[in-house]
Amino acid sequence: DTEVTQTPKHLVMGMTNKKSLKCEQHMGHRAMYWYKQKAKKPPELMFVYSYEKLSINESVPSRFSPECPNSSLLNLHLHALQPEDSALYLCASSQDVGDGNQPQHFGDGTRLSIL
Amino acid sequence: LAKTTQPISMDSYEGQEVNITCSHNNIATNDYITWYQQFPSQGPRFIIQGYKTKVTNEVASLFIPADRKSSTLSLPRVSLSDTAVYYCLVGAPDMGRRALTFGSGTRLQVQP
Repeated sequence: DTEVTQTPKHLVMGMTNKKSLKCEQHMGHRAMYWYKQKAKKPPELMFVYSYEKLSINESVPSRFSPECPNSSLLNLHLHALQPEDSALYLCASSQDVGDGNQPQHFGDGTRLSIL
Repeated sequence: LAKTTQPISMDSYEGQEVNITCSHNNIATNDYITWYQQFPSQGPRFIIQGYKTKVTNEVASLFIPADRKSSTLSLPRVSLSDTAVYYCLVGAPDMGRRALTFGSGTRLQVQP
């Protein structure tokens, strides 16, 4: 079992829908991350939050909108997505941001399909 | 960003030792080397981390030569359940995105 919980596990949505992905951790970590992973590719960093503030945005399109309501929760709001946005979306946390000797803890992701 | 290079795939048989090497020629003085394992439809899982020489835990060993330009993940006596993708990452405290960049990974297939 993972210590980072992501919901829902699967999501199918149309291109005009609005939905949100949720991520929760109770390890007291102060850094949280969103990654996107396409089939047979490595995870690609999207956003990084440090102490509930957005610290890194990897030039992600505005149809993806992250939110960190508190230190335990991370949301990814989705609107007007494209079919190419279909992927596994992974959330992770670590004690601090981009800290090379503090490993990240990953959830098992939300499998997103855009119709 | 520091680039890591790994073999795309490896095959092994149950009970064998598997060594996966990662090249990181541009490693910086403060960089750590971290390995993750990922099964299909799951998130990556931390395996082991090191800075220099050798590190061993209950699942793997990590060998790092003196020049630190490469590292080798060693999995003793693999089983079918070790079939997964293995990623090495290189980064340092406070280095931000560099420590968060996954390379292409090595797909390990263990046969019975």
